[in-house]
Amino acid sequence: AQSVAQPEDQVNVAEGNPLTVKCTYSVSGNPYLFWYVQYPNRGLQFLLKYITGDNLVKGSYGFEAEFNKSQTSFHLKKPSALVSDSALYFCAVRVLIGGYQKVTFGTGTKLQVIP
Amino acid sequence: KAGVTQTPRYLIKTRGQQVTLSCSPISGHRSVSWYQQTPGQGLQFLFEYFSETQRNKGNFPGRFSGRQFSNSRSEMNVSTLELGDSALYLCASSPTGTGAVPETQYFGPGTRLLVL
Repeated sequence: AQSVAQPEDQVNVAEGNPLTVKCTYSVSGNPYLFWYVQYPNRGLQFLLKYITGDNLVKGSYGFEAEFNKSQTSFHLKKPSALVSDSALYFCAVRVLIGGYQKVTFGTGTKLQVIP
Repeated sequence: KAGVTQTPRYLIKTRGQQVTLSCSPISGHRSVSWYQQTPGQGLQFLFEYFSETQRNKGNFPGRFSGRQFSNSRSEMNVSTLELGDSALYLCASSPTGTGAVPETQYFGPGTRLLVL
């Protein structure tokens, strides 16, 4: 069975500093990885995904993520954090099972950007 | 294209009642998934519908049910509500949810259910 781990419940970073939100996964077969962001009382918004190819994936709002197969990680990064980046971030893995796609989400990491 | 819409946005019910939530997917999307989000349990998968058929189901009791109509709109029903059913219920759609190329799921804003 596939699983996703987000080891940090919360990450605090000063505005203007680089940020990293960690995600590791466990799947059999090829992993397809996603990052979503959730603002208070809102649904999840898609940020970026890794399917194949370049290990560095660029997404919305200046975010990027690095796929590392040997470490089974897909960490979310941004060079310079904004206060408006404060939100809940979810990592997800999607695999093909029985002909259809099944997605598993991590538990979420709350990002707090301090002015 | 319009995004995923969910109605109602907020709902207050009492224990023992039942509730129906509605989700309209992005036009052309045929796969609709439902999730329950709570502070303690995080995001938990409820079920997925495609072409009016439930294709996948999470580990929730039979009080939780759903259906999908021919226009891909989906409803979720919870009978005999319990206090623990208080949560944000999210709906997500994708084109087919099948095939070798993974599809992005697009989420609605959710329905906040409070059970008193």
